[in-house]
Amino acid sequence: AQSVTQLDSQVPVFEEAPVELRCNYSSSVSVYLFWYVQYPNQGLQLLLKYLSGSTLVKGINGFEAEFNKSQTSFHLRKPSVHISDTAEYFCAVSRGGNDYKLSFGAGTTVTVRA
Amino acid sequence: EAGVTQFPSHSVIEKGQTVTLRCDPISGHDNLYWYRRVMGKEIKFLLHFVKESKQDESGMPNNRFLAERTGGTYSTLKVQPAELEDSGVYFCASSQGLGLVWDEQFFGPGTRLTVL
Repeated sequence: AQSVTQLDSQVPVFEEAPVELRCNYSSSVSVYLFWYVQYPNQGLQLLLKYLSGSTLVKGINGFEAEFNKSQTSFHLRKPSVHISDTAEYFCAVSRGGNDYKLSFGAGTTVTVRA
Repeated sequence: EAGVTQFPSHSVIEKGQTVTLRCDPISGHDNLYWYRRVMGKEIKFLLHFVKESKQDESGMPNNRFLAERTGGTYSTLKVQPAELEDSGVYFCASSQGLGLVWDEQFFGPGTRLTVL
């Protein structure tokens, strides 16, 4: 079984400042890793994914994440946030193969202030 | 192209009543998933349909929950009778089912269920 821990439940940040959201996972098998974002009153939207290859993954809206196998982490970063980045962010893992179900962390709410 | 839609967006019912949630996946998507988020906790997998068949229902909490996907199109999730701990946001997602290494899931906006 997989589990995901998002270390921060709330992250306040000023506009144009950098932000990092931390995610650690545990799994006895190789997994695929994801970050999703949920804007108010909307469904979850995929920000980026790691399936294989380069450990630095770039996603939409200027976000990137780095897969660190030894530390079992997949932290999300953005060098300069905008007000519109205010949302809840979810880290998730999946075993892949024929098992596509996602295991999510508890979410991190990012509030960007002017 | 329309995304995944869910109905209703909110439902408030009393303990012991029955509620049915509906999900319409993206047209042509064979895979349909149900997830649930209890207040402040993580989003948890409930079950996975491939067309009209239940592929994985390991996350269904108990036999008060019944999911169907007749004809392999829309799906319903019925809770009968509802209990207080069933309150939360129920998400539906769909994916194409192309047999790739990974198949992106597209999520609906969720149904917020409150059981009083």
